[in-house]
Amino acid sequence: DADVTQTPRNRITKTGKRIMLECSQTKGHDRMYWYRQDPGLGLRLIYYSFDVKDINKGEISDGYSVSRQAQAKFSLSLESAIPNQTALYFCATSDRTSGRGGTQYFGPGTRLLVL
Amino acid sequence: GESVGLHLPTLSVQEGDNSIINCAYSNSASDYFIWYKQESGKGPQFIIDIRSNMDKRQGQRVTVLLNKTVKHLSLQIAATQPGDSAVYFCAENSRGGADGLTFGKGTHLIIQP
Repeated sequence: DADVTQTPRNRITKTGKRIMLECSQTKGHDRMYWYRQDPGLGLRLIYYSFDVKDINKGEISDGYSVSRQAQAKFSLSLESAIPNQTALYFCATSDRTSGRGGTQYFGPGTRLLVL
Repeated sequence: GESVGLHLPTLSVQEGDNSIINCAYSNSASDYFIWYKQESGKGPQFIIDIRSNMDKRQGQRVTVLLNKTVKHLSLQIAATQPGDSAVYFCAENSRGGADGLTFGKGTHLIIQP
């Protein structure tokens, strides 16, 4: 079984709809992240969480919110989806014992299309 | 501004040859660098990392070189194989303690038979 899973893997929604992308991990890591990837660009950080009580904004948090329901679960919400949020979304985890900037392990991604 | 970028969007090499993928970064405070491989339809996969107190690190068929003087990072892949075809990203940490990574735009490595 994959260590970092994301659901759904693909999603089509309409402008203005609220959607949630979910991430679960079995690696036992305390840190979790959400990134988006656009064609021709690298990944950009949306939000990150160091533990259940800690949530931090990343580079491009506007229009997104997150919830860390448990150490193993980190969900990303688009309250009112817009077409420029069409992208590939990745969840990642890392272990605090690996130090600052420790290796991050990525899920398979969720492909989101906003019409 | 701060950025991590790659010199070439596409690199084509012959199977069996060595590949060198380059990356430039602009933040002198960056102290941790990672190379990721992303195959089509998959998430980025860790290849190798290096900290700023080192200038070279070797893995299995891969070597990362760091030149802090010119803020340059490279990934060398020895004896490239068809399975090496992917997009390669460099990433660095420079957020004053935050662990989110800054990624470059990626280089698409194409292996010619």
